[in-house]
Amino acid sequence: DIVMTQSPDSLAVSLGERATINCKSGQSVLSSSNNKNHLAWYQQKPGQPPKVLISWASTRQSGVPDRFSGSGSGTDFTLTISSLQAEDVAVYYCQQYYDVPFTFGPGTRVDIK
Amino acid sequence: EAHLVESGGGLVKPGESLRLSCAVSGFTFSDAWMNWVRQAPGKGLEWVGRIKSKIDGGTTYYAAPVQGRFIISRDDSKNTLYIQMNSLKTEDTAVYYCTTLWYGDWGQGTLVTVSS
Repeated sequence: DIVMTQSPDSLAVSLGERATINCKSGQSVLSSSNNKNHLAWYQQKPGQPPKVLISWASTRQSGVPDRFSGSGSGTDFTLTISSLQAEDVAVYYCQQYYDVPFTFGPGTRVDIK
Repeated sequence: EAHLVESGGGLVKPGESLRLSCAVSGFTFSDAWMNWVRQAPGKGLEWVGRIKSKIDGGTTYYAAPVQGRFIISRDDSKNTLYIQMNSLKTEDTAVYYCTTLWYGDWGQGTLVTVSS
């Protein structure tokens, strides 16, 4: 199984400041067949299902604000919120879909400082 | 717009069975590879399993904790996804979501509580 780790476990950022979340996979999730990283980022607010923000490591889903960006390749990935807004308070998860069993990171809680 | 609605959750005793359903609309269900994901109270997300589209073989895959106890199926004529959960354990207590995962479609989830 591909183990996903995230850091930090939680962070508090001032409104308008940058938030950075790291995700590491136990093995590369870069596929040689399509040259894409099989990595997604999700945002989950209390009482709601997860919402996909980013797929293929860096492709923002339709309707997701451009302050959210994903980067990285192979085993190391980053989700950046360039200017934190109050509505961004949530738990963020990375997930690999390179191979089953698909696996999620443990989550990173983002709060306002 | 996609709409996924899970149903069938509830309180059951350890060892009992339960079948969840997920009614789908707003996209071509028969083409979709569908997943179940669960979330225990206060915990993170756990992938449970997936089923490919019938045209791609309809193959199922399961996470180790549910392998041999859970069965995922689909009825494309009803646009409905199912998960049959047998020999339930207390650690299966969770909200169960049906989802296309990174394609962006998620239901609101249904709570399954396994307790004596």
